[in-house]
Amino acid sequence: QQQVKQSPQSLIVQKGGISIINCAYENTAFDYFPWYQQFPGKGPALLIAIRPDVSEKKEGRFTISFNKSAKQFSLHIMDSQPGDSATYFCAATGGYGGSQGNLIFGKGTKLSVKP
Amino acid sequence: DAGVIQSPRHEVTEMGQEVTLRCKPISGHDYLFWYRQTMMRGLELLIYFNNNVPIDDSGMPEDRFSAKMPNASFSTLKIQPSEPRDSAVYFCASSLDGNQPQHFGDGTRLSIL
Repeated sequence: QQQVKQSPQSLIVQKGGISIINCAYENTAFDYFPWYQQFPGKGPALLIAIRPDVSEKKEGRFTISFNKSAKQFSLHIMDSQPGDSATYFCAATGGYGGSQGNLIFGKGTKLSVKP
Repeated sequence: DAGVIQSPRHEVTEMGQEVTLRCKPISGHDYLFWYRQTMMRGLELLIYFNNNVPIDDSGMPEDRFSAKMPNASFSTLKIQPSEPRDSAVYFCASSLDGNQPQHFGDGTRLSIL
């Protein structure tokens, strides 16, 4: 019940295309859903996050879509660029008064954007 | 502002040796987290501290692993004795409080031969 399932494992997109990464969770107590971006040799960095009181959040070319009833959320990268090539992790936490102490991460998606 | 600083960046040692990983969190951050990343298991939370006190160590794999936070600006993760299956990238992260994003260091790549 604590798992976060992420797909696909890898993704190749042409420059200018849309990249879509999906995650699903089971624990209905989760109330915070961040996405992290990781470049080789670096630690994960927070990209964008959403709480379940909204169905969508957009920051620049990055959008999170959230479906509470389906317990799914996804990351959309519009106009994908070669510089977006990285590994993306979804995560979830909650049920601790909002504490992010126990972030549960998906297994990651390696995105390659071809020029 | 300096981010989370981890040392060493790389560590290669032989099985059975003691390994100590170090972390300096961002100044003013009250939460500190230790993670392990492997291809097979992904990112796993090992332990986290709030105001230097360990809150949840349920992710620590076994008694060979221990973590301390003697003060607000320093934490260690120790493995004794080390085994080849401990080979992984270990990350430290910190956050301002329990409702703020976690900021990760660049990790320590540990190889146990």
